[in-house]
Amino acid sequence: QSVLTQPPSASGTPGQRVTISCSGSSSNIGSNYVYWYQQLPGTAPKLLIYRNNQRPSGVPDRFSGSKSGTSASLAISGLRSEDEADYYCAAWDDSLSGRVYVFGTGTKVTVL
Amino acid sequence: EVQLVESGGGLVQPGGSLRLSCAASGFSFSSNEMNWVRQAPGKGLEWVSYISSSATIIYYADSVKGRFTISRDNAKNSLYLQMNSLRAEDTAVYYCARDMEMGDWGQGTLVTVSS
Repeated sequence: QSVLTQPPSASGTPGQRVTISCSGSSSNIGSNYVYWYQQLPGTAPKLLIYRNNQRPSGVPDRFSGSKSGTSASLAISGLRSEDEADYYCAAWDDSLSGRVYVFGTGTKVTVL
Repeated sequence: EVQLVESGGGLVQPGGSLRLSCAASGFSFSSNEMNWVRQAPGKGLEWVSYISSSATIIYYADSVKGRFTISRDNAKNSLYLQMNSLRAEDTAVYYCARDMEMGDWGQGTLVTVSS
């Protein structure tokens, strides 16, 4: 099944803005919402962005999501040490073999 | 407060079976879709299966289709994953996650397939 492509790593110093890209296809990002999850070391994933650009309550507005065509991106502004984590994009995929949920390859964010 | 607690993981030999459970509380379980997601050691997230609130719609990843069965008991606020014909590559932490957007996750249960 298809996988969404993310850069393996991203980094920045405290206060900087970091952007993570997510590339998909017409059957997933191109026709469905994009979600972003944050996974802190040793913990379960947490929903960070839903429906392309919406933040669940409690998620700081330093995190923002966008989508254009078959790609999406997550931006973290005012980077903080506690943002050091793995980030995954995801989307439902409507392929010929049925509906599946595909995750991105994951991006490790390091705060320098 | 939403709580999802997985159980049933453990060590199993290749070809064996295991049944995972996910106990839900703090929300209307019978009104919510549910998913299973797994993560192999040191690897990324992989979606496994989805079940609608009334269990009328079920989806599986190709990697588990024909071997795993998702089910739910709304009277017991519980989600299940029956895993048969287990392979080494099924070794992972298995999470249950609430709704199509996976807004809430359990802490996970580790399944190790090894002889």
